[in-house]
Amino acid sequence: EVQLVQSGGEVKKPGESLQISCKASGYSFTSYWIGWVRQMPGKGLEWMGIIYPGDSNTKYSPSFQGQVTLSADRSINTAYLQWSSLKASDTAMYYCARHVSDIYMGALVDWGQGTLVTVSS
Amino acid sequence: DIQLTQSPSSVSASVGDRVTITCRASQGVRSWLAWYQQKPGKAPKLLIYGASSLQRGVPLRFSGSGSGTDFTLTISSVQPEDFATYYCQQANSFPRTFGQGTKVEIK
Repeated sequence: EVQLVQSGGEVKKPGESLQISCKASGYSFTSYWIGWVRQMPGKGLEWMGIIYPGDSNTKYSPSFQGQVTLSADRSINTAYLQWSSLKASDTAMYYCARHVSDIYMGALVDWGQGTLVTVSS
Repeated sequence: DIQLTQSPSSVSASVGDRVTITCRASQGVRSWLAWYQQKPGKAPKLLIYGASSLQRGVPLRFSGSGSGTDFTLTISSVQPEDFATYYCQQANSFPRTFGQGTKVEIK
């Protein structure tokens, strides 16, 4: 069974750094892209970017390029989303999800449970 | 970026009604379009991929159609558990994008 288990909620102050995680199991971690999706309070889904853990190739949405960093540690089957300096506007729920390009034509097939990030002074 | 516009933004329906949601892309995405269902406080769930293929375990009352720029998600007979927000998403090109969502509410 494919599982994506995300790290717990975080409360941070503006300007602080943060890394949240997404631990994968039940499939070959290095063979599928993992994407990140933001959902601000009461709003819709926004695609942030994806990483291919096999070679750490990344693709970012222009809206998030330079604002966040995606990474992955193949040794522990974990993907990360990182901020170097948080803003209040980063307050949102963040989801990781497994992209499956071939059979599922790029759909986000499996999702983590979400990590709530709250940034407040 | 490819813009996806869903309509309507919300729809009120009674149990048993047929509900249709449309998703229009600003440029062609072939059949690389997926639909998701999201309930409050939960992660989205894949319903349809490749514009018309039903994900395993999804009830047959859900169906998808379309290609190119115009797509439709249909719920043939809405059930109480279907009241949720639905999103389309294109996977034809980067950056991937989502529609703004359609909320299906109880009438």
